[in-house]
Amino acid sequence: AQKITQTQPGMFVQEKEAVTLDCTYDTSDQSYGLFWYKQPSSGEMIFLIYQGSYDEQNATEGRYSLNFQKARKSANLVISASQLGDSAMYFCAMREGAIQGAQKLVFGQGTRLTINP
Amino acid sequence: DTGVSQNPRHKITKRGQNVTFRCDPISEHNRLYWYRQTLGQGPEFLTYFQNEAQLEKSRLLSDRFSAERPKGSFSTLEIQRTEQGDSAMYLCASSFNRRDRPYGYTFGSGTRLTVV
Repeated sequence: AQKITQTQPGMFVQEKEAVTLDCTYDTSDQSYGLFWYKQPSSGEMIFLIYQGSYDEQNATEGRYSLNFQKARKSANLVISASQLGDSAMYFCAMREGAIQGAQKLVFGQGTRLTINP
Repeated sequence: DTGVSQNPRHKITKRGQNVTFRCDPISEHNRLYWYRQTLGQGPEFLTYFQNEAQLEKSRLLSDRFSAERPKGSFSTLEIQRTEQGDSAMYLCASSFNRRDRPYGYTFGSGTRLTVV
């Protein structure tokens, strides 16, 4: 069963608009973590934001925020005031189990975001 | 903190040849991971080390693949008798298990392998 689902293969947004990238996940663990990474064409995976399953507040990092809805098992990434440099692949990932465990990540298939001037 | 370093960045090899990639993790990180990413897909877990011990291997890691982390520092991933299906980006990541930094999981820039 697919554990991370990103249903948007591609998104096109005008510069300065906000954009929401969808991510749903499936786990039976109580303790888990959710990550968003950005991958530009150069290939490196750039960490954007993290949400722990026990965190009560939605995570925010600058222009990035994570809309965490635990009951719906969704962890959508919101990018405010998009910029041309935001054009890239975006991956949602999940770490199952406690932090002290293996910490291996399971990734979704990604969403390619294109910001238009 | 100089980040996770991977070498080479690109490798083109003929089918049937052996290749070896190197990963230098962040020095304070005791865990090291290898992932494989094929075109249009998200990364998939291959294996991980805690210090020098290889604690988990994915079934994706066939017997042609071997990974080592001598002395718990850098790691190497070797692919023997390469096949065209091995063409992918090989990503290394490192982390530490600190409760106050659960997002301390850093990827390198990857090694892009092309088997011709």
